[in-house]
Order: sequence, then structure tokens, then C-alpha cells
Amino acid sequence: EAEVAQSPRYKITEKSQAVAFWCDPISGHATLYWYRQILGQGPELLVQFQDESVVDDSQLPKDRFSAERLKGVDSTLKIQPAELGDSAMYLCASSRDRDGEQYFGPGTRLTVT
Amino acid sequence: RKEVEQDPGPFNVPEGATVAFNCTYSNSASQSFFWYRQDCRKEPKLLMSVYSSGNEDGRFTAQLNRASQYISLLIRDSKLSDSATYLCVVKGSSNTGKLIFGQGTTLQVKP
Repeated sequence: EAEVAQSPRYKITEKSQAVAFWCDPISGHATLYWYRQILGQGPELLVQFQDESVVDDSQLPKDRFSAERLKGVDSTLKIQPAELGDSAMYLCASSRDRDGEQYFGPGTRLTVT
Repeated sequence: RKEVEQDPGPFNVPEGATVAFNCTYSNSASQSFFWYRQDCRKEPKLLMSVYSSGNEDGRFTAQLNRASQYISLLIRDSKLSDSATYLCVVKGSSNTGKLIFGQGTTLQVKP
């Protein structure tokens, strides 16, 4: 069964450092999502791509976060500089199209010290 | 007010019990509704979609009341393996496919 891949699985970084997460969606999935899940809360959408284009980044803190999906396949989410409040699970999901079921990757657990 | 609200629990029940979770959503234009299951430190996984007519999948029954903007999940004959967090999820009225998650309700089934 095809899966969404994410790396790294765990990341510990000091505040003010830069950090990057990578996601490889299920092959053929045009829509890719990055969610952030703070402990004790549900996931919250940060950014959504349709192929290589951003369709929703309204909740992305653009002063420090950036995301790209240059060839419309895999994607990178970057934080620079990291802050203590960024400690969370960062989940990537993909779907065949905007209406399709979203499949989640295992996530990257970020701890900022 | 959060767009999707759930009682976080935890719900502690004995094996074999019947337990029900409720959820309310604020946007009356919401199109689709789901329950996801999330095990500790794992990713969310789709448990079932929720339809106005109600739907059942084995021991799990989901109901949607659009007039009251209310969603429920009923689990019968609870198993130890049902212990998890159950996330109420709404797909918004936009055409982006964005999912809006509730806080989640934690279930602990005890022997």
C-alpha cells in the first residue's frame, strides 16, 4: 500500500535556528497539505498545494515559515528562525485531488529548546 | 469560538461498554464530515465518513444532524484496541478540500 513519506521523524533544534521538513506524497496525488498539530489539539492546516501551486496558505506564519513544491511532487516546509512555540507535530497529507480522501504521513515531531 | 468543538475527555470505560462522542460545528455551509482515529504519537487515519442518513461500520455508528450542526460517533462493545483519540473533522465550504479538525476526544478502554 502506498504511503506518504516524511523525514526526519524527529527533530530537536535550538530557538533561532533554521529547520526543514520533507514530504513525499503518494504517487499521482496532485494535492498536498501541511498541517501542524500542537499537543492536545487537532491538526491545523498550514498550507495546501495543488500540483506546484499554493491554493491556501492563510494560516501559514509567513514571517518565518515557507513551503515549496517546485515540481509538483515532493515538498519542503521550512521554519527560520524557529521559536519555542513551534514545538509540535508537523503532518503532511496528500490526496488524489481536492475532493479525495487525505492520507497522512507519520509526521515530524519538532522540539525547539 | 472554535469551528469544530469536542469534549476532550478522557472517557474511561470498561471493555464491552457502549460509548458515544459528540461534536458540534459552526459553519452551516460545511460539506462533508468525518471521524478520524489517532493513536498516541501517530498520524490520524480515517475511521469513517458521516452521512445525514447515518452510517454504520461494524461496531461503529456515525450520525449527522445538519439542523443542529451536530455529529456523533457511537462505539458498541468497546475493545481494548479502541483506545485512541477520536477526531471530529469537517470539510469546509470552500472548494480547497481543507479539513477542519476538532480537538479530539480521548477514549481509554480498560479491562
